[in-house]
Amino acid sequence: AQKITQTQPGMFVQEKEAVTLDCTYDTSDPSYGLFWYKQPSSGEMIFLIYQGSYDQQNATEGRYSLNFQKARKSANLVISASQLGDSAMYFCAMREGGATNKLIFGTGTLLAVQP
Amino acid sequence: GAVVSQHPSWVICKSGTSVKIECRSLDFQATTMFWYRQFPKQSLMLMATSNEGSKATYEQGVEKDKFLINHASLTLSTLTVTSAHPEDSSFYICSASQDTGGLQETQYFGPGTRLLVL
Repeated sequence: AQKITQTQPGMFVQEKEAVTLDCTYDTSDPSYGLFWYKQPSSGEMIFLIYQGSYDQQNATEGRYSLNFQKARKSANLVISASQLGDSAMYFCAMREGGATNKLIFGTGTLLAVQP
Repeated sequence: GAVVSQHPSWVICKSGTSVKIECRSLDFQATTMFWYRQFPKQSLMLMATSNEGSKATYEQGVEKDKFLINHASLTLSTLTVTSAHPEDSSFYICSASQDTGGLQETQYFGPGTRLLVL
């Protein structure tokens, strides 16, 4: 079964508008961490934001915020005031508790910001 | 901080040759480094986890004799694609983490290496 699901293969958003990228996850571990990464066309993976399973508040980092709904097992990324430079692939990833520190990635969402 | 470099950024080689890719953490010591493979328009697939001074742990389906990983120091890990074939052509990307503990430990990624085997 997919551990990380990103149902939107691609999205358009107008410059200066907000956009939400969906991510749902599946785990039976009560302790886990959720990450979002951005991958521009150049290929590098850029860390954006982290949310821990025990965090009481939604994570925010500048224009990025994470809409964490634990009961629904969703961790959607919200980008406010979209900029042309936000056009990229966005990956949601999860790390489960335990000895492993591996990240499990979703299939990604390609975001295109239109002027 | 937390910069990871990869070299080379791209390489073209003939079928049957071996190719070495280096991954370096420039401003921190990386206890653990990860090697991923990414096909066009697809997600990252973890190939192996390498810990400094010990043998790499390979994911299921990844041939350890084909993809040799050496984590020689806390700042350097290498991936050697041995006897490369066209189907090995892909984008290879490494990441590094400090392993200070905790789920929030972030993996910092290198810029990736594009391998084309002709």
